[in-house]
Amino acid sequence: EPEVTQTPSHQVTQMGQEVILRCVPISNHLYFYWYRQILGQKVEFLVSFYNNEISEKSEIFDDQFSVERPDGSNFTLKIRSTKLEDSAMYFCASRDGGEETQYFGPGTRLLVL
Amino acid sequence: QKEVEQDPGPLSVPEGAIVSLNCTYSNSAFQYFMWYRQYSRKGPELLMYTYSSGNKEDGRFTAQVDKSSKYISLFIRDSQPSDSATYLCAMRPSGGYNKLIFGAGTRLAVHP
Repeated sequence: EPEVTQTPSHQVTQMGQEVILRCVPISNHLYFYWYRQILGQKVEFLVSFYNNEISEKSEIFDDQFSVERPDGSNFTLKIRSTKLEDSAMYFCASRDGGEETQYFGPGTRLLVL
Repeated sequence: QKEVEQDPGPLSVPEGAIVSLNCTYSNSAFQYFMWYRQYSRKGPELLMYTYSSGNKEDGRFTAQVDKSSKYISLFIRDSQPSDSATYLCAMRPSGGYNKLIFGAGTRLAVHP
């Protein structure tokens, strides 16, 4: 069964460093999403991406964040200068155009020290 | 008022019990209602989704939506230890790019 994959599973970084989180969505999906979940808190929407551009973003998704689909398979989230409060689990999700279901990856646990 | 409210639990039940999980919401524009299951340190997995009001059944799971009360429920019949997980409600309005608004999740433990 096709699935969304994410790498790395865990990342530890120093405050101020740049990180890139990578996702491989399901191959025929057209809509891509990033969500995050701070430990003990709810899953929060960050950004949606369709047709090679951001379609919607949340207040959390400020200028420190960017997304890219560099090729036909990868979807990345970059945080330019990480802050302590960026520590969270980051989930990638993808969706086919014809259905409602968003399929989530296993997440990348980011720890900013 | 939070957009989506969900009691975080934890909820502990014996195997075989009927489990009722609930969410309330404030945004009357929400039209799509989902229940996701999340095992520890894993991504959310869609269990069921319902459009607008009504009931939907899938095996041991039943989802109910009452838009007049802004209240949704998930019932699990004959609960099993493997059902032990966190259950997240999520919802969104029609249109847009399917940004989901999640509840806080209810942690369920089913003990043998």
